[in-house]
Amino acid sequence: GQNIDQPTEMTATEGAIVQINCTYQTSGFNGLFWYQQHAGEAPTFLSYNVLDGLEEKGRFSSFLSRSKGYSYLLLKELQMKDSASYLCAVRGNSNSGYALNFGKGTSLLVTP
Amino acid sequence: EAQVTQNPRYLITVTGKKLTVTCSQNMNHEYMSWYRQDPGLGLRQIYYSMNVEVTDKGDVPEGYKVSRKEKRNFPLILESPSPNQTSLYFCASSLVVDQPQHFGDGTRLSIL
Repeated sequence: GQNIDQPTEMTATEGAIVQINCTYQTSGFNGLFWYQQHAGEAPTFLSYNVLDGLEEKGRFSSFLSRSKGYSYLLLKELQMKDSASYLCAVRGNSNSGYALNFGKGTSLLVTP
Repeated sequence: EAQVTQNPRYLITVTGKKLTVTCSQNMNHEYMSWYRQDPGLGLRQIYYSMNVEVTDKGDVPEGYKVSRKEKRNFPLILESPSPNQTSLYFCASSLVVDQPQHFGDGTRLSIL
């Protein structure tokens, strides 16, 4: 199985930078995803890390350290529309089954 | 337009009355999956399918069945629904197992 931890809630100010952490313990690892989910909507894909290091995509970046079982999502130049839930998800491998396990999500509130 | 379509979007039904939630994707994706989302518990995977006629259990398969007779369709079957299956359900698909998932708009089930 997999154990995935994220902070429950975070608050940040418009224009600022926020880092959302995700730690995981897994019997098999085949990649880590970040999704964004606005209230009442479906999750949408943000980023994917399978190797260690930083992946940058515009205002969003994601980092992975497989040896530490740790990832973070970095959001820069925060906008009000970034208020949403951010979901960390870990993919198993052939040893542990190809299930996709989600953390409980981090609810981010961006304030003016 | 590339999409994952779930039906129905909303359903209120009674305990024990068999129901099926359909899911269809038009992107020729191999990997399909069902999730339920509950407050405080996040997204939990019910079943997934790596390809036609290949299905496997996720974290919370009890009380559910699936089938994958064709690549585009992945119905979720509740043979004898119970109130603890009241939830928001999402179907998702991806080209292959390690690609980002596209989610349907969700199905809100209430079982009385």
